[in-house]
Amino acid sequence: DVKVTQSSRYLVKRTGEKVFLECVQDMDHENMFWYRQDPGLGLRLIYFSYDVKMKEKGDIPEGYSVSREKKERFSLILESASTNQTSMYLCASSPAGQGPSGANVLTFGAGSRLTVL
Amino acid sequence: DAKTTQPTSMDCAEGRAANLPCNHSTISGNEYVYWYRQIHSQGPQYIIHGLKNNETNEMASLIITEDRKSSTLILPHATLRDTAVYYCIVPLGSSNTGKLIFGQGTTLQVKP
Repeated sequence: DVKVTQSSRYLVKRTGEKVFLECVQDMDHENMFWYRQDPGLGLRLIYFSYDVKMKEKGDIPEGYSVSREKKERFSLILESASTNQTSMYLCASSPAGQGPSGANVLTFGAGSRLTVL
Repeated sequence: DAKTTQPTSMDCAEGRAANLPCNHSTISGNEYVYWYRQIHSQGPQYIIHGLKNNETNEMASLIITEDRKSSTLILPHATLRDTAVYYCIVPLGSSNTGKLIFGQGTTLQVKP
């Protein structure tokens, strides 16, 4: 019944490493999102995509990039990991339909907890 | 997103109704109220949304006051598995972009 799958539940990386976080959804959703969650700061939007090969910056895109080559897959890339990127990363998807039951009804993955040493 | 105010934490006895309030006094006429929850170590989960009429689904009921300045999420028979952080969200200007702002929410502890 899993609909949004994040490739790794826990990762430990070293400072300066390139990190790939993969997210796949099986609901044929147009929209995909990457958030990070930190204690006391809530969820913050990093990047999002409304279509294949399309991407837009969220509130905190610095230090991150994304790739969406296929509709079902949205990858988050940390080009050179730093300790302040230690966090829980959450991927979500939603349909593109107009109206309140569309884009704002997000389905989240279980999260990827990244530790950068 | 329109500003929402929720209590930081609440307790509820197992089997009883959990009533989670949310204040959104600056809400505009066409802005919806969304509720999500996040169980520990999991991603957030959509629960329900509404505009002005009361709404019910298999997870919960949403009661919105007539002036729409506040709402209450009701879990009719809370179980231990309902222990979670509950988020009340009002996307600004009735935008349907999926770019939601999750605040601090209410931590609901269901006790045996």
